[in-house]
Amino acid sequence: AQSVTQLGSHVSVSEGALVLLRCNYSSSVPPYLFWYVQYPNQGLQLLLKYTSAATLVKGINGFEAEFKKSETSFHLTKPSAHMSDAAEYFCAVSLSGGGSNYKLTFGKGTLLTVNP
Amino acid sequence: DARVTQTPRDKVTEMGQEVTMRCQPILGHNTVFWYRQTMMQGLELLAYFRNRAPLDDSGMPKDRFSAEMPDATLATLKIQPSEPRDSAVYFCASARTVQTYNEQFFGPGTRLTVL
Repeated sequence: AQSVTQLGSHVSVSEGALVLLRCNYSSSVPPYLFWYVQYPNQGLQLLLKYTSAATLVKGINGFEAEFKKSETSFHLTKPSAHMSDAAEYFCAVSLSGGGSNYKLTFGKGTLLTVNP
Repeated sequence: DARVTQTPRDKVTEMGQEVTMRCQPILGHNTVFWYRQTMMQGLELLAYFRNRAPLDDSGMPKDRFSAEMPDATLATLKIQPSEPRDSAVYFCASARTVQTYNEQFFGPGTRLTVL
């Protein structure tokens, strides 16, 4: 079974500051890891994904995440926050390999507020 | 620009009424997921289908919820009878799972309010 823990349900940063959203996972096999973003009244949109290639993954809107197996972490970062980054962010894990397991397990989400 | 569509976007109903939510997956996607999002529980997977066959519906209350895929372009989630605790946003997502990882594309959701 797999699980995801997002540390901090709410993160507040100033515009231009570093964004760091934390995600730790638990998985019995090598995982695939994802970050999704949800803007108000919208569905989830994929930001980036890790699928066992490069451990540093770059996504849309200037976000990136680094897979650290030793720390079982997949933290999301952005060097400089923009007002438009204000949204809820979800980390998710899926088991690698094919077969019948296509499920994503999501964390509880982190609400990012960007202050002017 | 291919998107997952969901109807209705908003639904207000009274307790005991039947509710049907519809989802049109992205053309060519063979896997469809239904999620429920609430403040208390976050995102919960209710059920998912691959090639129209149900693979897992263990997250769904069996006595009142049912999910089907009448054809490759339509997935439905039905609640009968509805209860106030069913109030939530219901998301449909689709994926093309011919590779070993599944990138899911989400619809805009159906906001259900049961009075």
